[in-house]
Amino acid sequence: QQPVQSPQAVILREGEDAVINCSSSKALYSVHWYRQKHGEAPVFLMILLKGGEQKGHEKISASFNEKKQQSSLYLTASQLSYSGTYFCGTEGDAGNMLTFGGGTRLMVKP
Amino acid sequence: DGGITQSPKYLFRKEGQNVTLSCEQNLNHDAMYWYRQDPGQGLRLIYYSQIVNDFQKGDIAEGYSVSREKKESFPLTVTSAQKNPTAFYLCASSRKQVQNYGYTFGSGTRLTVV
Repeated sequence: QQPVQSPQAVILREGEDAVINCSSSKALYSVHWYRQKHGEAPVFLMILLKGGEQKGHEKISASFNEKKQQSSLYLTASQLSYSGTYFCGTEGDAGNMLTFGGGTRLMVKP
Repeated sequence: DGGITQSPKYLFRKEGQNVTLSCEQNLNHDAMYWYRQDPGQGLRLIYYSQIVNDFQKGDIAEGYSVSREKKESFPLTVTSAQKNPTAFYLCASSRKQVQNYGYTFGSGTRLTVV
């Protein structure tokens, strides 16, 4: 079953923060985050494994709450380059394929 | 440089015609996947393969076929049975332990029915 992402869209000014959520009704083994620019391939951001770890990548970080089957992506001090659609991909018990959410469209304005 | 190549970038199909989308990777990845993306939508799994000469249906396999005769190649055929094939098609590959390495995506093929 497809994970649910929220919000569906968000508009920010440069320097503002945003949180994107990904929620699943199934137990998760890992959660992956990707960013896609219009008409391009999704680009890998990070992976979180079950265990509730938090990861960071410059000003973009994420957390994974295994008990709640939820993951959140945090974008701080947003830059124009952060604009795009963010997807979470979830993996069941080492199923080795990802099921993607519907995406969150992020627009950062000057 | 290693990567995953999809061709063509744009493809036009006439009604009743079969078309084949190419996907080649030189990353020595074991697993390969095909996803379909409709405007403003997420990615839906069509087929995937974790080993040569073996593949499994995804959520929306009807009207599509694949083959995996070589580790590097995973072509997707959109048959005339697929009634609404206009979409953006993404191919991806991964190592066996996808939870550690994630996917590498190709640049996509945009298919339009004319």
